[in-house]
Amino acid sequence: SAVISQKPSRDICQRGTSLTIQCQVDSQVTMMFWYRQQPGQSLTLIATANQGSEATYESGFVIDKFPISRPNLTFSTLTVSNMSPEDSSIYLCSAHTPENTEAFFGQGTRLTVV
Amino acid sequence: GNSVTQMEGPVTLSEEAFLTINCTYTATGYPSLFWYVQYPGEGLQLLLKATKADDKGSNKGFEATYRKETTSFHLEKGSVQVSDSAVYFCALSENSGTYKYIFGTGTRLKVLA
Repeated sequence: SAVISQKPSRDICQRGTSLTIQCQVDSQVTMMFWYRQQPGQSLTLIATANQGSEATYESGFVIDKFPISRPNLTFSTLTVSNMSPEDSSIYLCSAHTPENTEAFFGQGTRLTVV
Repeated sequence: GNSVTQMEGPVTLSEEAFLTINCTYTATGYPSLFWYVQYPGEGLQLLLKATKADDKGSNKGFEATYRKETTSFHLEKGSVQVSDSAVYFCALSENSGTYKYIFGTGTRLKVLA
């Protein structure tokens, strides 16, 4: 299994600013992902964070808005850029190891944009 | 494309009642199926999983059987407790090496004492 720590756990930000969310895994993992959970809704995959290369974004999400880094096999960051109130969501980091069939999730970052 | 359809909530039950939360899926190939639970203010925790047809996942009194013929993975528990109050998500993972998850909309369960 893998334990995932996310920072910050929550934040309130002014519109037009950017926030970087950190995701640290306690072991090396092959795949890392970022999801968004809008209020009262399900999880939507933003992108796959690729180690050493550009992230792979899902339809509707772009690098300029959600730049992602993954410098090594245990760490990734997601930046929410030029925020608007519509970006208010929970952002979750997820990781997958080849030894397990299931993904593990961080506790999430609750973002409120005012 | 692949999708997961989950019964809408909220579901309100009395303690010790029987629980069923329906989940059906559409997928090409042979996905793995999961139920995740999200307690208030917390992240997602894996509740149970099934990786092939006719597999039964079980944990903490919850069960779900991977039914390929009906493309379903319904969650059941014989006797719910107040502590089971949470949001339950059905999900599938495409076994294509991408490990992407597709989630249902989530079902909020409230159990009353």
